[in-house]
Amino acid sequence: QKEVEQNSGPLSVPEGAIASLNCTYSDRGSQSFFWYRQYSGKSPELIMSIYSNGDKEDGRFTAQLNKASQYVSLLIRDSQPSDSATYLCAVTQGGSEKLVFGKGMKLTVNP
Amino acid sequence: GAGVSQSPSNKVTEKGKDVELRCDPISGHTALYWYRQSLGQGLEFLIYFQGNSAPDKSGLPSDRFSAERTGGSVSTLTIQRTQQEDSAVYLCASSLGVSGRARGETQYFGPGTRLLVL
Repeated sequence: QKEVEQNSGPLSVPEGAIASLNCTYSDRGSQSFFWYRQYSGKSPELIMSIYSNGDKEDGRFTAQLNKASQYVSLLIRDSQPSDSATYLCAVTQGGSEKLVFGKGMKLTVNP
Repeated sequence: GAGVSQSPSNKVTEKGKDVELRCDPISGHTALYWYRQSLGQGLEFLIYFQGNSAPDKSGLPSDRFSAERTGGSVSTLTIQRTQQEDSAVYLCASSLGVSGRARGETQYFGPGTRLLVL
């Protein structure tokens, strides 16, 4: 099983700060990368998708992909208490439609 | 429009009983996936459908697990002779499946079925 690793966390940041979430993956054939947010007791919801090296910005969220180093990150600017959730990194590996998920990083934004 | 729906939302069963979990994907989505999330574990892939076919069943943990999809829409995941280690949240997701392929597409998740095996 090819792996997707996330820092074990949890991560706690004050309101208004930047939260940085990191993910590494082992399969160099991976082609598609996703960040999902999961509130406690709820199902995952898509935050960002990224397919090419570089940065992709959407509002307060920026996804960064570096295929050479096999990592993908998510930055959350101006963090809000409502951002408190578990963030899941997911990767579509080469030759497969399934998503391989990391174990998630729990983020707490303190007012 | 309506999202992915799953039923039941919660299921409590006794060890050894069979259970059926249902997933209704987003209308028009031809790709459907089942995942499992256990306490303290990440999301674990079980099976992928494209239309009514299952080209990837690699995640089914044992032959007690099976799934089918009919009419290119509703899918049923069946667990026979349930064991306590089957207790988990079972999540269904769907994606467009453009041109019969789903690689790299965004998957939209349903609310899940919480299964507890006593």
